[in-house]
Amino acid sequence: EPEVTQTPSHQVTQMGQEVILRCVPISNHLYFYWYRQILGQKVEFLVSFYNNEISEKSEIFDDQFSVERPDGSNFTLKIRSTKLEDSAMYFCASSERGGNQPQHFGDGTRLSIL
Amino acid sequence: AQSVTQLGSHVSVSEGALVLLRCNYSSSVPPYLFWYVQYPNQGLQLLLKYTSAATLVKGINGFEAEFKKSETSFHLTKPSAHMSDAAEYFCAVSGYTTGGGNKLTFGTGTQLKVEL
Repeated sequence: EPEVTQTPSHQVTQMGQEVILRCVPISNHLYFYWYRQILGQKVEFLVSFYNNEISEKSEIFDDQFSVERPDGSNFTLKIRSTKLEDSAMYFCASSERGGNQPQHFGDGTRLSIL
Repeated sequence: AQSVTQLGSHVSVSEGALVLLRCNYSSSVPPYLFWYVQYPNQGLQLLLKYTSAATLVKGINGFEAEFKKSETSFHLTKPSAHMSDAAEYFCAVSGYTTGGGNKLTFGTGTQLKVEL
C-alpha cells in the first residue's frame, strides 16, 4: 500500500538555525498538510497546500515557516530560525482530494532544538 | 470553529473485554469525523471515517464507531480487546474549507492499555 514517507526521522538543530523537513506524499494525492505534536500535547494543524499554494494556515504558521513543493514528488517544511519551542514531532499528510477524503500520515520527524 | 473532546486520557481494559473510547464533537457545519491510531514511534493510521453516508461506521482491526447527532458523539468501540490494540487513539473533526482542503482538528488522545 502506498505511504507517505518523511525524512529524517530525527533532526537535532541548534537554536537559530534553519531546518528543512522533507516529505514524499502519496503519488496521486493532490492535497498536502503539515501538523505538529509537541510532547504531551495534541496534534495541531500547521498548513495545507494545494495547486502549488497554501490553502489554509494556522496562527502557529508564522513568517518563520514556509512550505514548498520543489518538484513533482517532494513537499518540504522550512523553519527559518528555530526556537526552543519548535521542538516537536512534525507530521506530513496527504489526501487524494479535499473535502471528506481521509488524510494519510507519515511516521513523522522528531525535531529537537538545542 | 470545530473541536473534539475525548473523555479519558487513559483507558485500561482486560484482553477480551469491550473497548469504548469516547469522543464528542462541536461543529457549526455537518462534520466529517475520523478516528486515528498511533502506535509507539509511528505516524497516525486511519481507523475509520464518518462522512454522513451511514451512522454506524466500520473500520479496520474490528473497530467501529457510531455517529449520534443528538448527542454530538462519535464513540469508538471494539467488542473484544486484543493486546495488539494497545496504542493511542485520536478523534478528529474536519469541515470543508474555502481552500478545498480539510484541516483536521484533533482531540487530546486516549491511551488504551490492554491487560492480560
